[in-house]
Amino acid sequence: QSVLTQPPSASGTPGQWVAISCSGSTSNIGTNTVNWYQQLPGTAPKLLIYSDNQRPSGVPDRFSGSKSGTSASLAISGLQSEDEADYYCAAWDDSPSYYYVFGTGTKVTVL
Amino acid sequence: EVQLVESGGGLVQPGESLKLSCAASGFTFSGSAIHWVRQASGKGLEWVGRIRGEVNGYATAYGTSVEGRFTMSRDDSKNTAYLQMNSLRGEDTAIYYCVRLTVTNAYWGQGTLVTVSS
Repeated sequence: QSVLTQPPSASGTPGQWVAISCSGSTSNIGTNTVNWYQQLPGTAPKLLIYSDNQRPSGVPDRFSGSKSGTSASLAISGLQSEDEADYYCAAWDDSPSYYYVFGTGTKVTVL
Repeated sequence: EVQLVESGGGLVQPGESLKLSCAASGFTFSGSAIHWVRQASGKGLEWVGRIRGEVNGYATAYGTSVEGRFTMSRDDSKNTAYLQMNSLRGEDTAIYYCVRLTVTNAYWGQGTLVTVSS
């Protein structure tokens, strides 16, 4: 099964802008919408972005998502210390059968 | 409030079986698909599979690493989903989460740890 590719790490100082990429293929990101999850240490993941660029209620507007072709991106503006976490993209994949695939994960460090 | 509570994890030897449960509340369980996701220590998230609700015939789908060894089921009268894991291997060691995915949200349980070791 496919996997979505993310950079292993990203970092920034408080207040900076950080972006995380997620590379997929035509059978997943190219066809279906992308979700982003935030996982704080020792906790279950939390949905941050759904349908490429929508935020669930309660998620700060510092987090934004975008998609182009077979790639997606999560941006964090005004980085805060509490944003230090692992971030995963995810999407449904149509090939060879319908399954859910996660990205490899990106550790965001606030310097 | 949506709640998902996993149970049944523990230490088993390679080749043995284990059955996990996911008790749900706060939503219409019978109409909802339930997913299982696992995470090995220090590793990323892996989708294990999902079982759909009654209206979709309780259809199941599995990840390639578990297909043929793991079976999902559910008892809508008890608002509980199950993950039967057979022929367990060391690489199945992970925290197992049950998850309810909707278009606009995702609800995760706290997870249950499965350790496969001799």
